[in-house]
Amino acid sequence: EAGVTQFPSHSVIEKGQTVTLRCDPISGHDNLYWYRRVMGKEIKFLLHFVKESKQDESGMPNNRFLAERTGGTYSTLKVQPAELEDSGVYFCASSQDQSGKREKLFFGSGTQLSVL
Amino acid sequence: GQNIDQPTEMTATEGAIVQINCTYQTSGFNGLFWYQQHAGEAPTFLSYNVLDGLEEKGRFSSFLSRSKGYSYLLLKELQMKDSASYLCAVRRGGATNKLIFGTGTLLAVQP
Repeated sequence: EAGVTQFPSHSVIEKGQTVTLRCDPISGHDNLYWYRRVMGKEIKFLLHFVKESKQDESGMPNNRFLAERTGGTYSTLKVQPAELEDSGVYFCASSQDQSGKREKLFFGSGTQLSVL
Repeated sequence: GQNIDQPTEMTATEGAIVQINCTYQTSGFNGLFWYQQHAGEAPTFLSYNVLDGLEEKGRFSSFLSRSKGYSYLLLKELQMKDSASYLCAVRRGGATNKLIFGTGTLLAVQP
C-alpha cells in the first residue's frame, strides 16, 4: 500500500515567487492535514480537511497561503507571494477515521521549502 | 497556551535502555502520541496513550500520567538504527483532532 506522498521533495524559490506543494494521501483516507516545521521549532498544525471540506484552518499563517482539496483526493498548498519566513519543511498527513480512539496520522516525507 | 517539553538531545549506548520524557500543558487532551523520525524521512507512529499507565510494544514502551501531564518513551535493547528524533505530540480533541508537537528529542545511539 502506498503511503502519503508529497511533491516536490525540495523547492528553492525567490522571495515574491509562487510555489505549490502537493500531497497525495493514502487512498481512502478522508482526513488530510498540513503541518509545517520551521528550522529549530516544533512541527505546527496548519489546517485539516475532511474530504474536500476545510474542518479547521486555524493554523494558516496568513492569506498568502491557500490550501485546496478538490474532489477530496489530493491536496495542494499554494504560497503566493512567498516570503523568507515561509521557509521550512511542510508535512502532509492523512488518517482514515476520526471516530476511532486510536486514530493515528500517517505522514509524508515533507517538502523542504527554501525562500531566498 | 500550549506547551510540550522534551529534552533536545540524548545519547545512549547500543544494547542499553533509554527513557525519553515529555511533559505537557494543553487546553484539552485526547491522547498522546510518540513518533520516530529519521533525518529526511516521514515521522512514523510508535505509540499512543489515552489512559494512565504503560503500553508495551516490543522493544518500545510508553507511559502516561494525565494528572501529572507527563509521558515517557522507553526504548530497550537499543540498536544503532534507533538513532533518530523522537516526537511527543498531544491530541487536543474536538472537531479537528489536531496534534500539538514538542520540538523532538534527537537520540544518538553509540557503539
